[in-house]
Amino acid sequence: DAGITQSPRHKVTETGTPVTLRCHQTENHRYMYWYRQDPGHGLRLIHYSYGVKDTDKGEVSDGYSVSRSKTEDFLLTLESATSSQTSVYFCAISEDRGSYNEQFFGPGTRLTVL
Amino acid sequence: GENVEQHPSTLSVQEGDSAVIKCTYSDSASNYFPWYKQELGKGPQLIIDIRSNVGEKKDQRIAVTLNKTAKHFSLHITETQPEDSAVYFCAASTLMDSNYQLIWGAGTKLIIKP
Repeated sequence: DAGITQSPRHKVTETGTPVTLRCHQTENHRYMYWYRQDPGHGLRLIHYSYGVKDTDKGEVSDGYSVSRSKTEDFLLTLESATSSQTSVYFCAISEDRGSYNEQFFGPGTRLTVL
Repeated sequence: GENVEQHPSTLSVQEGDSAVIKCTYSDSASNYFPWYKQELGKGPQLIIDIRSNVGEKKDQRIAVTLNKTAKHFSLHITETQPEDSAVYFCAASTLMDSNYQLIWGAGTKLIIKP
């Protein structure tokens, strides 16, 4: 998985509780992404980072926040989890190729919100 | 903005036959088109990609073709094997907020029948 780890790999939590997912890379890549994957929707971008402390919103950012204090770590936080946030979350990394970027994915975190 | 449509959603082929998955995109400025394979319980894995200055690219049993005029690209798998069974995603790279993002198709579940 291209030097990308995600933790935890599985989590069950209750509605209203805060949850933080961690993505760690050993590739020193500039870009990091958080996606969610749901049946029938493919991959949807939540937030991404283009450098330390530089982040931006994706397509489905409501209810999520992110932080990147080091090149190797990108955290995704659900401030108050809801059942609609039950999903599989994937982290991806890429390097800047100029006019495109190849993305490489971690193994995913399966989150269940009861 | 960019939109990527992928067909079919499910494809069942006999082992040894060929499989073709098609995607269309809307942003004529898109210049990079990767294909990913996702096995059960794992993250998507990049299997082949094509840049807009190339019409076709091959790697052993897989090939990708790109028609920029018609704005569609396809994945071809020949001599299919049981290990080809997976979900395949296409994507198109587009420039958003000064950074290149991937816009994803909804995925195709490929089933190889023995």
